[in-house]
Amino acid sequence: QVQVVESGGGVVQPGRSLRLSCVVSGFDFSIYGMHWLRQSPGKGMEWVAVISFEGSNTHYADSVKGRFTISRDTSENTVYLQMNSLRREDTAVYFCAKDRTDYNYEYVFDSWGQGTLVTVSS
Amino acid sequence: SYVLTQPPSVSVAPGQTARITCGGNDLGSKSVHWYKQKPGQAPVLVVYDDSDRPSGIPERISGSKPGNTATLTVTRVEAGDEADYFCQVWDGRDDRVVFGGGTKLTVL
Repeated sequence: QVQVVESGGGVVQPGRSLRLSCVVSGFDFSIYGMHWLRQSPGKGMEWVAVISFEGSNTHYADSVKGRFTISRDTSENTVYLQMNSLRREDTAVYFCAKDRTDYNYEYVFDSWGQGTLVTVSS
Repeated sequence: SYVLTQPPSVSVAPGQTARITCGGNDLGSKSVHWYKQKPGQAPVLVVYDDSDRPSGIPERISGSKPGNTATLTVTRVEAGDEADYFCQVWDGRDDRVVFGGGTKLTVL
């Protein structure tokens, strides 16, 4: 069955960086777009970024554009989220999710991981 | 910016029917997707494209969208249905994903 496992969260000071990883299994990773989303008590669920199945296209929420970078390594079945210049408002549980549509992405998230907590605090 | 409005909570007795609404301007022109999330767990897609069910989701859970309000209906409610449910669309006009605030379904 499909498995999505995030890691890399932790406590980080404002302005610093953190890289999240998402390892997947149980499906053909090479043909699906992948997303990062986040959830915080004050702001609810927020979509963060997407990367196309072949890795050539990426798209970001305005709130993270220019600070976060999504990438993927098909040989490792892994998606990454590099987070730079972190702010307190980036504090959230970060989820990795698979898009439902193959060879494209339509922003329908059909398999999610359990999430990894990122806390930005001094 | 586009907003999806859900009631904060819905309560229903076991065996009864729960209906959770999701409203938004011109929602009729967008595809609505629904997710179920239990505390501390990963969200689960339960309905996509207004009324389609992923494999493994029971027929007791269904979606509809007459007009500008989408509705998630859970019939013969069980204790295991207690969770947060939130709706989601892609807003093509502003090129962004929009989530509703979520509705906590309580089974009495």
